[in-house]
Amino acid sequence: EVQLVESGGGLVKPGGSLRLSCVASGFKFSDYAMIWVRQAPGKGLEWISSVSSVVSYIHYTDSVRGRFTISRDNAKNSLFLQLTSLRVEDTAVYYCARVDEAFYSGLDVWGQGTTVTV
Amino acid sequence: ELELTQSPGTVSLSPGERAVLSCRASQNVLSDYLDWYQQRPGQAPRLLIYGATSRATGIPDRFSGGGSGRDFTLTISRIAPEDVGVYYCHQSGYSPPSFTFGPGTKVHIK
Repeated sequence: EVQLVESGGGLVKPGGSLRLSCVASGFKFSDYAMIWVRQAPGKGLEWISSVSSVVSYIHYTDSVRGRFTISRDNAKNSLFLQLTSLRVEDTAVYYCARVDEAFYSGLDVWGQGTTVTV
Repeated sequence: ELELTQSPGTVSLSPGERAVLSCRASQNVLSDYLDWYQQRPGQAPRLLIYGATSRATGIPDRFSGGGSGRDFTLTISRIAPEDVGVYYCHQSGYSPPSFTFGPGTKVHIK
């Protein structure tokens, strides 16, 4: 079964840090770009970061650049998001999703989300 | 910077009725990278339509997408109770990479 499973969320004080993980299974992880999307309580979806299948290409939305760091370990089928200098407005459910760069077909697999409360 | 607006904000329909949800971009966008997602209450988003018109795997054929340029639509031909949720349009960009979501349309069933 194709699956993404996030973990690492929790309750943290402003200024604190967390490391989120997203473990992939059922597909060749290294073939896909990966993104993080968050959803604040009662709000819509917001893309925050992406990493290409070739790790050279990393991008962030302005509100998290310099505070969040995305990384991946293809050998462990894992995606990470290091959150630092957390703010109350970072409170959200954080989702990971995959993107096929070679043949775009949407964000076709999502994790169940992990909740960060600041 | 690309912005997506969606209308209506909320729609309430009876089972079996047709729903047409709209998404308008602030500039012309590539249809190949325009998607629609469904988010049921308490669940993660689910891909419905990619490339403006292609149904994702396992999506019933009562969901269809259309449009080009700045204006896109998601049509649910015969709405069912399980269609309750929020529907988001989304555009992927690649120079530089960005992923823009619309604010969503909430669908209620009467």
